[in-house]
Amino acid sequence: EPEVTQTPSHQVTQMGQEVILRCVPISNHLYFYWYRQILGQKVEFLVSFYNNEISEKSEIFDDQFSVERPDGSNFTLKIRSTKLEDSAMYFCASNRDSNEKLFFGSGTQLSVL
Amino acid sequence: GENVEQHPSTLSVQEGDSAVIKCTYSDSASNYFPWYKQELGKGPQLIIDIRSNVGEKKDQRIAVTLNKTAKHFSLHITETQPEDSAVYFCAASISGDKLSFGAGTTVTVRA
Repeated sequence: EPEVTQTPSHQVTQMGQEVILRCVPISNHLYFYWYRQILGQKVEFLVSFYNNEISEKSEIFDDQFSVERPDGSNFTLKIRSTKLEDSAMYFCASNRDSNEKLFFGSGTQLSVL
Repeated sequence: GENVEQHPSTLSVQEGDSAVIKCTYSDSASNYFPWYKQELGKGPQLIIDIRSNVGEKKDQRIAVTLNKTAKHFSLHITETQPEDSAVYFCAASISGDKLSFGAGTTVTVRA
């Protein structure tokens, strides 16, 4: 069964550093998303992306965050200057159409020290 | 925005018994309600979903019910097995893309 792939599975960084989280969505999917889950809290929507542009973003997704689809297979989340509170599990997700089933990757655990 | 509440936070059942997890949502415009299962070290996996034009849906040992008037929906797992042990999340959305999640229920099936 096709799956969403995320790398790395764990990322440790120093506060103020830039990080890039990488995702390979399912190949025939057109809609891409990032969610995050801070330890002990709910999974939260960050951003949705379609046709090479952001279609919706949450309050969390401020100017420190950006997303990109640099080629036909990858979808990345960049955090420009990480803060301690950015420590969380970041999930990439995709679906073929925005009202179809959403498939999640296994996540990247980001630890900001 | 949408607020989804999920109960209980933990649930321990004897193998073979049923497990029920309940969720409520706040936005009456929500029309899509998926349930996800998350095992250790993995991402959430969709196990069943229901849309607001349907009151109940069943897939083998798993069923979901929806009460639009009361704005609540439930997951029922019958004949539980050890492999059902996991964290279960409910979610709600208007369009199916921006999901609002519940806090999760840790289900433990005792052998």
